[in-house]
Amino acid sequence: EVQLVESGGGLVQPGGSLRLSCAGSGFTFSDYWMHWVRQAPGKGLEWVSSINLEGSATRYADSVKGRFTISRDNANNTLYFQMNSLTAEDTAVYYCARVRSTFHECFEKWGQGTLVTVSS
Amino acid sequence: DIQMTQSPSTLSASVGDRVSFTCRASESLTTLLAWYQQKPGKVPKLLMFDASNLISGVPSRFSGSGSGTEFTLTISSLQPDDFATYYCQQYVSYPYTFGQGTKLEI
Repeated sequence: EVQLVESGGGLVQPGGSLRLSCAGSGFTFSDYWMHWVRQAPGKGLEWVSSINLEGSATRYADSVKGRFTISRDNANNTLYFQMNSLTAEDTAVYYCARVRSTFHECFEKWGQGTLVTVSS
Repeated sequence: DIQMTQSPSTLSASVGDRVSFTCRASESLTTLLAWYQQKPGKVPKLLMFDASNLISGVPSRFSGSGSGTEFTLTISSLQPDDFATYYCQQYVSYPYTFGQGTKLEI
C-alpha cells in the first residue's frame, strides 16, 4: 500500500524556520516526481513546490520562492521542505503529494498533511 | 499563470439528482486537467485525470468532459457520500493551479 507520512509541522514565530519531512513507502520513491501542496484554514488548495526524480530540478510558487527549498533523499525515500522567513500567510496544512505518473502530473497519492502555524 | 475558475461556488442538491460543475481555464489545457474531491478535515482525493479518465475505484456515476479551456464534472445520481468540495487543477504548465472549489451541499 502506498503511504506518504508527513512530519515536522508545528507552531513557529514569524520569521522563523521549519523543516517538513515526508516519508514514502509502498512504491519506488525514485520513480516519481513529488510535490508540496498547502491549504490555509478554510481556504482552497495551493500548489507550492515540485521536485524531479533525481532532485536536480525544482519549481516553486511565487509566494514561497526564495524562502522555501524542496529536496529529496531517494536512498531513504524521503521528501523535505525547508521553510525559512515564515509569515502568517504561510499558516496552512502542508501535504506532500505523489504524481500519478511522469506523463500525468496530477496528484494521485497524498499524505495526511501536517499543520504549520505561524504566530507570535 | 493559468487562472482556474470554477462555477458555481456552492451548489445545493438532493440525493438522486444529476449535477454538473464547470471549470474554466484562462489558457488552453488541452486535456491536462484533474478533478479532486475533498471532505471536511480530510485529504483531497483524485477522481479524474486528463479531463475524462476515471481513477480506479471511483464510482462510475462520476464523469468528466471537456478540452481546451472549458471542463465539466458530472455526477449522474448523487449519493450521500458525494457531498463535499470539488476542485479542478491544471497540470499543463507551472505554476500548477487549482480552482477555488465548488462546495456541493444538501
